[in-house]
Amino acid sequence: EVQLVESGGGLVQPGGSLRLSCAASGFTFSNYWMTWVRQAPGKGLEWVANINEDGSQKYYVDSVKGRFTISRDNAKNSLFLQMNSLRGEDTAVYYCARTEGETAGNYWGQGTLVTVSS
Amino acid sequence: QSALTQPRSVSGSPGQSVAISCTGTSRDVGGYNYVSWYQQHPGKAPKLMVYDVNKRPSGVPDRFSGSKSGNTASLTISGLQAEDEADYYCCSYAVTYYVFGTGTKVTVL
Repeated sequence: EVQLVESGGGLVQPGGSLRLSCAASGFTFSNYWMTWVRQAPGKGLEWVANINEDGSQKYYVDSVKGRFTISRDNAKNSLFLQMNSLRGEDTAVYYCARTEGETAGNYWGQGTLVTVSS
Repeated sequence: QSALTQPRSVSGSPGQSVAISCTGTSRDVGGYNYVSWYQQHPGKAPKLMVYDVNKRPSGVPDRFSGSKSGNTASLTISGLQAEDEADYYCCSYAVTYYVFGTGTKVTVL
């Protein structure tokens, strides 16, 4: 059974940093692109970033370029999102998802809440 | 990277059909046959319902169907059931990014 479990969310002040993790199991992690998607409170889904199988290709939504870094550790079946220079508008539930073909997410984690506030 | 346009809400009685539109541009929806649809119940993670415009993952009822014409994709739910009440989001591949729709709340009357 495919499982994705996010962690690392919490309350952080504007300008601060946070590192999200996503632990994957039930599939061969190194064979898949992976994606982060976020959802601000009461708002819609927003694609944030994705990374290819070996970590050599990374893409970001314009609003996080230069502030967020997606990475992965295939030996530990883990996906990460390093978030720096956080802003209020980054407040959201962050989901990790397994990408298959050109579908952003065919399996999703339960999400982790990031709150940026003073 | 502008969000795809969906109607804010649609509604129907049990057994009826509803359709949700998703309008983008030639750079996303119109450029590729890679539109997916997600169902999200309150407080839950999104669930993939349709991918590659009109394909259904295993376990998704055939009441859910997708189509596309030009820059607009559509999700049709036939034989509406109470458990279909949820938010629905379209999503399009665009090579170096993905873009989601604004979301549609489906209400079962």
